[in-house]
Amino acid sequence: DQQVKQNSPSLSVQEGRISILNCDYTNSMFDYFLWYKKYPAEGPTFLISISSIKDKNEDGRFTVFLNKSAKHLSLHIVPSQPGDSAVYFCAASEPSGNTPLVFGKGTRLSVIA
Amino acid sequence: GAVVSQHPSRVICKSGTSVKIECRSLDFQATTMFWYRQFPKQSLMLMATSNEGSKATYEQGVEKDKFLINHASLTLSTLTVTSAHPEDSSFYICSAIPGQVRQPQHFGDGTRLSIL
Repeated sequence: DQQVKQNSPSLSVQEGRISILNCDYTNSMFDYFLWYKKYPAEGPTFLISISSIKDKNEDGRFTVFLNKSAKHLSLHIVPSQPGDSAVYFCAASEPSGNTPLVFGKGTRLSVIA
Repeated sequence: GAVVSQHPSRVICKSGTSVKIECRSLDFQATTMFWYRQFPKQSLMLMATSNEGSKATYEQGVEKDKFLINHASLTLSTLTVTSAHPEDSSFYICSAIPGQVRQPQHFGDGTRLSIL
């Protein structure tokens, strides 16, 4: 039973446009959400996070939105650049200490020049 | 920022060999490190939580005698795949959290293990 779901395995976007990556979760205990970017043969790189007390967090071109009632979060990348092409993983964790992350299956983003 | 180093990046060996993978936090101390495994086109699956100075906590279905974890210091955790077989071939990644306050995990670059 997947607790974190990324239903789109892939997404193609033109350079300069907005990329929207979606993530749904089922565990209502999750209170901390993160997005990671991963290139082939490398470990994931942290991008941005959001706590459940917020509904939006912005960092440069990256914005994460959280809708707790819908158990849904999304990552917006504006404007998209070819270097953003990678696999993006959504992750979540429960409260209390250094708990492990639960990952979605990832969405492969391709930004076309 | 926080850096996690993982070594080796790639291992190819014969069936029956034991393989040790090291995970180091280079510029911070990590009381907790995590070991993940990733199959092709799949998510990162948590294998175990490695705690400095104590036994690792393994996820359901992960054989602790098969995947030995040692977290001997605040900057080093090792994963040993004992008597590896072809089905153990996978991408293994470690991560660590800098500090006790909830912060993002930082990942190593992973180890591609191929058992012939």
